[in-house]
Amino acid sequence: DTAVSQTPKYLVTQMGNDKSIKCEQNLGHDTMYWYKQDSKKFLKIMFSYNNKELIINETVPNRFSPKSPDKAHLNLHINSLELGDSAVYFCASSQTSSSINEQFFGPGTRLTVL
Amino acid sequence: GQQVMQIPQYQHVQEGEDFTTYCNSSTTLSNIQWYKQRPGGHPVFLIQLVKSGEVKKQKRLTFQFGEAKKNSSLHITATQTTDVGTYFCAGRTNSGYALNFGKGTSLLVTP
Repeated sequence: DTAVSQTPKYLVTQMGNDKSIKCEQNLGHDTMYWYKQDSKKFLKIMFSYNNKELIINETVPNRFSPKSPDKAHLNLHINSLELGDSAVYFCASSQTSSSINEQFFGPGTRLTVL
Repeated sequence: GQQVMQIPQYQHVQEGEDFTTYCNSSTTLSNIQWYKQRPGGHPVFLIQLVKSGEVKKQKRLTFQFGEAKKNSSLHITATQTTDVGTYFCAGRTNSGYALNFGKGTSLLVTP
């Protein structure tokens, strides 16, 4: 069973388009995250939701809007895509009450903006 | 804000050689975690260190947390080709939910 799943796995689109990436976790975790990983492998936190409440909102353009309809889902909508948005986007989840609170990552969505 | 610096950015070794990656935080950490990302894959949790001066081992991997809880290291003894990947440290302070990831060390092992 897949613990953290993301769709789509690959996304190729034109500049200016709007796209969404979906994430679901079946681990019963209370916190979910979005990370952006660029070509140099830098892993940067974008957003985090705890029990559907936004708790981390790093300096990210307003074109990026996360939505958490419930604890098991965290989607990412991107408006007016730009070339610099090309990256791998990882969703992750964790359980804050656990003693370790490690993050479980999804397989990633590779976004290419042409 | 808190920053976690990680060096080196890249390391290329011959199979059988040792490898070490180092992390330094600008602030005291409550704990530090280590993740491994295989090429084309996603980060996978390896271990968490919590106590000052803590040392933990997983087979050929040795993890250390500094006395001041501001630095950490991962040492791999006698690397194998299966060790190839990017190793990230990630620190957490008492005040935050967030894990602050280092920029990672990409390890290449040639047979």
